[in-house]
Amino acid sequence: ETGVTQTPRHLVMGMTNKKSLKCEQHLGHNAMYWYKQSAKKPLELMFVYSLEERVENNSVPSRFSPECPNSSHLFLHLHTLQPEDSALYLCASSQDYTSGGHNEQFFGPGTRLTVL
Amino acid sequence: GQNIDQPTEMTATEGAIVQINCTYQTSGFNGLFWYQQHAGEAPTFLSYNVLDGLEEKGRFSSFLSRSKGYSYLLLKELQMKDSASYLCAVRATNTGFQKLVFGTGTRLLVSP
Repeated sequence: ETGVTQTPRHLVMGMTNKKSLKCEQHLGHNAMYWYKQSAKKPLELMFVYSLEERVENNSVPSRFSPECPNSSHLFLHLHTLQPEDSALYLCASSQDYTSGGHNEQFFGPGTRLTVL
Repeated sequence: GQNIDQPTEMTATEGAIVQINCTYQTSGFNGLFWYQQHAGEAPTFLSYNVLDGLEEKGRFSSFLSRSKGYSYLLLKELQMKDSASYLCAVRATNTGFQKLVFGTGTRLLVSP
């Protein structure tokens, strides 16, 4: 596997379900991100982990819970979601900015989530 | 606040040149990125500007004017495969991690 991978690619869940999204990066990066992409809206940053420590939580509802067990893996745990949470959830990784360079973010293919 | 503006949609013909504009108002500036996103796929990095001027990379060029809060992405010799959304994003902080503020994206349709 190369780059950034995400599983599952598609997920349909009810409002009472609990599910998890998984992201894995094979690029040796030390920062990972969760974004939400809804139709006709900008990519919204949800969470940032740098060196496995959460450094950003962008006022995301508590029904979304991130976990970063190591620098290569990132999870997003979902519970009691609402229909308006239906969106494409993208994971990204990069080198930490302090390491120099422009350090672009590399994105995974996303998980298309539908909440019924 | 943070605000990134770009046109919602543009159309162009195969072989032509198209310019996609982006204006931004952000708290702090530490670089501007352009990403390409085909429908149903991940955004992929195209270009980065942090100093004023033009950066050229093959058929794609990106320009930045920090004093005007303005950038554009120039695509030459358009091909059908260039039909995609183009996302403008500003790195709006100088802290130890990247925080990108994205525009809504410009959907480019290239016709034969």
